[in-house]
Amino acid sequence: GAGVSQSPSNKVTEKGKDVELRCDPISGHTALYWYRQSLGQGLEFLIYFQGNSAPDKSGLPSDRFSAERTGGSVSTLTIQRTQQEDSAVYLCASSPQQYQETQYFGPGTRLLVL
Amino acid sequence: GENVEQHPSTLSVQEGDSAVIKCTYSDSASNYFPWYKQELGKRPQLIIDIRSNVGEKKDQRIAVTLNKTAKHFSLHITETQPEDSAVYFCAASIRGNTGKLIFGQGTTLQVKP
Repeated sequence: GAGVSQSPSNKVTEKGKDVELRCDPISGHTALYWYRQSLGQGLEFLIYFQGNSAPDKSGLPSDRFSAERTGGSVSTLTIQRTQQEDSAVYLCASSPQQYQETQYFGPGTRLLVL
Repeated sequence: GENVEQHPSTLSVQEGDSAVIKCTYSDSASNYFPWYKQELGKRPQLIIDIRSNVGEKKDQRIAVTLNKTAKHFSLHITETQPEDSAVYFCAASIRGNTGKLIFGQGTTLQVKP
């Protein structure tokens, strides 16, 4: 079946502009996660959804970052007033439930803020 | 806060040799430990995982061991092949049953033919 998909695959933007990153999880997966991966670094947790609720937003770096999920499926990560330090690969993952479940990753969106 | 330390950061081995990557975690409530392989420009993919009620798990050339007392776990790859070359990440779940994972910084494995 189809895996996790993300769009766009690449995004170049100017400092100060807003960007929206989209994640389509595997059908039927109730848990969805956003991570950020800076060059040569590990994966940094941003936010987690169970259904449409976000019980854990602890990883969002600042109030410029927000995310939503609708219909228990598609999720959008929005970064307002982008800064150069926001440049990274943003990865989305989904899992059937949440606890001790394999997380399946999307291909990521590579964001470059000029 | 919760933390996962991973060593070494880079590892170079000859084809056919074994490779070992070690991780330590800080949250004593962690009970799920997956390992991901990430090839250049691609998404992380799960290669093996272990849960806290198991001390060792093996899948062909890959094995993972867990020592809950010492709070560390290791990935063992035997008979390495050039296609094993990639970045490997360990991760540990945190308390609260959210499924949230804390990742190590990654190990770049190079297998020389």
